[in-house]
Amino acid sequence: DQQVKQNSPSLSVQEGRISILNCDYTNSMFDYFLWYKKYPAEGPTFLISISSIKDKNEDGRFTVFLNKSAKHLSLHIVPSQPGDSAVYFCAASESGATNKLIFGTGTLLAVQP
Amino acid sequence: DTGVSQNPRHKITKRGQNVTFRCDPISEHNRLYWYRQTLGQGPEFLTYFQNEAQLEKSRLLSDRFSAERPKGSFSTLEIQRTEQGDSAMYLCASSLARGLETQYFGPGTRLLVL
Repeated sequence: DQQVKQNSPSLSVQEGRISILNCDYTNSMFDYFLWYKKYPAEGPTFLISISSIKDKNEDGRFTVFLNKSAKHLSLHIVPSQPGDSAVYFCAASESGATNKLIFGTGTLLAVQP
Repeated sequence: DTGVSQNPRHKITKRGQNVTFRCDPISEHNRLYWYRQTLGQGPEFLTYFQNEAQLEKSRLLSDRFSAERPKGSFSTLEIQRTEQGDSAMYLCASSLARGLETQYFGPGTRLLVL
């Protein structure tokens, strides 16, 4: 049972354009959502997060949007840069429990110069 | 600020051998997590510690796996009698226990069982 889904295995965008990565979840008890970036042979690097009481969180070029009714979140990167090319993982947790992260399968973003 | 460190970074072993991995969390973090990642998948939760207490283990963690965090600082993950299916990236993460906590990951240990 995949509780967190990233349905796009890959995405290619031009440098300077917007990258939009999507994530869906099924467990309504999730109340904290995170995006991680991962390069090959390295551990995931934390990018940005959002709690379920918000619908938007922004940090520089990165913005995460949360639509609780649709159980959907998205990560926007504007403008996209070649160094953003990596695998992006969406993760969710339920606070008050173990806070273990449930990850999606990732989206490979390629930013073309 | 030193991040999470893991050793070794790579391990190649023969089937049936035992292996042990070490994780050193961010110093003030009291929670420590182990995850496993296989090709094409996201990381999957294995177990977690709050201080020295192991509070949850995934059903993925068979009897051949054991984890410890003896003094609430570093942690070890041991796999006994390794199998080829154990080949994966083993990731450690740490966090500060609070309502909404962010986990910070180490670089991982890549295990290859021949």
